[in-house]
Amino acid sequence: GAVVSQHPSRVICKSGTSVKIECRSLDFQATTMFWYRQFPKQSLMLMATSNEGSKATYEQGVEKDKFLINHASLTLSTLTVTSAHPEDSSFYICSASGQGAVRYEQYFGPGTRLTVT
Amino acid sequence: GDSVTQMEGPVTLSEEAFLTINCTYTATGYPSLFWYVQYPGEGLQLLLKATKADDKGSNKGFEATYRKETTSFHLEKGSVQVSDSAVYFCALISGGGADGLTFGKGTHLIIQP
Repeated sequence: GAVVSQHPSRVICKSGTSVKIECRSLDFQATTMFWYRQFPKQSLMLMATSNEGSKATYEQGVEKDKFLINHASLTLSTLTVTSAHPEDSSFYICSASGQGAVRYEQYFGPGTRLTVT
Repeated sequence: GDSVTQMEGPVTLSEEAFLTINCTYTATGYPSLFWYVQYPGEGLQLLLKATKADDKGSNKGFEATYRKETTSFHLEKGSVQVSDSAVYFCALISGGGADGLTFGKGTHLIIQP
């Protein structure tokens, strides 16, 4: 099946700094990428949807100036957490769907554990 | 808005036992329904899906039937194995399919030998 990678898998940063997380589709072209956030023992919450070459669409309650999403190519999307604070600590997961993919099917990355100290 | 409710775990079973993980949903229109599985240290993988009422999704011995009348999509397996230990997420997409998934909280399944 299709493979999606995320980098880094874990990151620890100091409060006030910015962190960039990469999501790559390795063997298919991802026309749409999704970013989710997962709190401990909670479900995945959709943060934003991005289509290649367009501005991301953010879910209600998600600050677009804090969580910058770029989807500049068909194989790469990035999520930048700006001026991170401890409450931003979470597990961030991306998924991708695209050309040739089965309708509605999303392929998930392994996730990135962010810890803000 | 859309929502998915699934039984909370952990669910602990012995090998070869029968498994049911309940999932019910609330959605506008006619959603497509999914079960995803997350093995330790790995990303979510699609386990099975159903796109319309009365459809049955199946994979790796797991089954789930889209029940519109009860708004349910319960996951079942007749005989579980230790290798089935994982977290299982019920999810849906409503509308045109260009949206992200709405997930349940996940059910941690532990199979003991």
